[in-house]
Parts: sequence; C-alpha cells; structure tokens
Amino acid sequence: EDQVTQSPEALRLQEGESSSLNCSYTVSGLRGLFWYRQDPGKGPEFLFTLYSAGEEKEKERLKATLTKKESFLHITAPKPEDSATYLCAVQGVDAGNNRKLIWGLGTSLGVNP
Amino acid sequence: KAGVTQTPRYLIKTRGQQVTLSCSPISGHRSVSWYQQTPGQGLQFLFEYFSETQRNKGNFPGRFSGRQFSNSRSEMNVSTLELGDSALYLCASSLLGPGSRTDTQYFGPGTRLTVL
Repeated sequence: EDQVTQSPEALRLQEGESSSLNCSYTVSGLRGLFWYRQDPGKGPEFLFTLYSAGEEKEKERLKATLTKKESFLHITAPKPEDSATYLCAVQGVDAGNNRKLIWGLGTSLGVNP
Repeated sequence: KAGVTQTPRYLIKTRGQQVTLSCSPISGHRSVSWYQQTPGQGLQFLFEYFSETQRNKGNFPGRFSGRQFSNSRSEMNVSTLELGDSALYLCASSLLGPGSRTDTQYFGPGTRLTVL
C-alpha cells in the first residue's frame, strides 16, 4: 500500500539549532516527492520537488535530499519565521495510470528566539 | 502572475444547509484539485478536474460534488452539511492533466468552513 510517514510529529528548536525532518515513503512508480510549508490557517506553500534518488535542492536555510526510501528536509540555523508545518507528498500512479499524490501528516516545527 | 484564489475565505453554516466554494486557478493552469484538511487527518483528496471533467475522486460521500468551467475555474458543493464537514477546504491548481508524468500543485489560501 502506498504510504507516506513523516517524523517527528512535532519539533521544537532554539534559534540557530540545526535539525532534520524525515519523510519515509512506499509507493509504486515514484514520479516525484514534494515538500510544502504550511502556516496556520493558510494553504500549503510549495518548496521543492525531487525526482530521483541522490537529488538535492536548496532554498535559503532549507535543503531537501532524496533516497529510494526517504527524504530529509535539513534546516540550517533556523529562525523563528521558519516555524510552520512542513508537509511531504509523494507522487505515484493509480490503477488508471493517472498520477496520484499521497500526503504525510506533516511535522510541526517551532523555533524559539 | 496571480496565485490561486478561493472565495469565500470563511463560512459559517448550520447542519442540513448546503454550501458552494469557488476556486480560480493560476492563469494557464488547467487542472484543479480539491482537498479537505482537518487536524489529525491531514490533507484528504476530494476530486480533480481537468478540461471540465472529473478525472479522479477520493473516498467522500456523494454529498460532495464539484465542477469545472471552460475557463478552468472550479466550484465545489457540499449538500446536507454535517458537523464533521467543518474543515479547511483547499484548492490546488497544476499546469498539466492527471495523465502527465508529474506536475506540481499550487495551493490557494483555503476556505474555512464551520458547521454549527
């Protein structure tokens, strides 16, 4: 069964304290892995797409990496404005050969000043 | 380029009523997907529309329906509202259809529906 598991569920960091969020997945026919950031009461904001194992992408203090079984979102020297829920989604294929997205439940990140 | 817009942003309804939510995708995007988001359940896929046709559907009752117009704008309707329908309803647009190899979804701000 296609599945996406994110860990930890919640994480509290001090400003400047680097850490990583994990997204483990099982999917038939991976077509892409997506990271989004969501602030309370708002829609998810697209961050990265990764397509194949070994791929890495960076944006400011964020760096996403991908292996055949999981993805990591590394946060370097976080600031309070990085506080948000980070969502991971994996794109696979359904029985009709249409793409489908499987979503994780997210990691809620809080950064203390 | 303007992002995905959703109206209204907030709604309060009572049980048994019906509601219609609207979504305008990014200009040029042809695919619109709808999601329900509740605490603890995450993003639950409702349906996807492309070229005015529903292409995919999630596991929701028939009270949830939608449609897409020729300009790619989409509406979602929920009839006979229940307390459990209280949620953030999100619309996402993407450039390509569901048959494409991969595509990125861009989300609107959502409509917060409260059912009393």
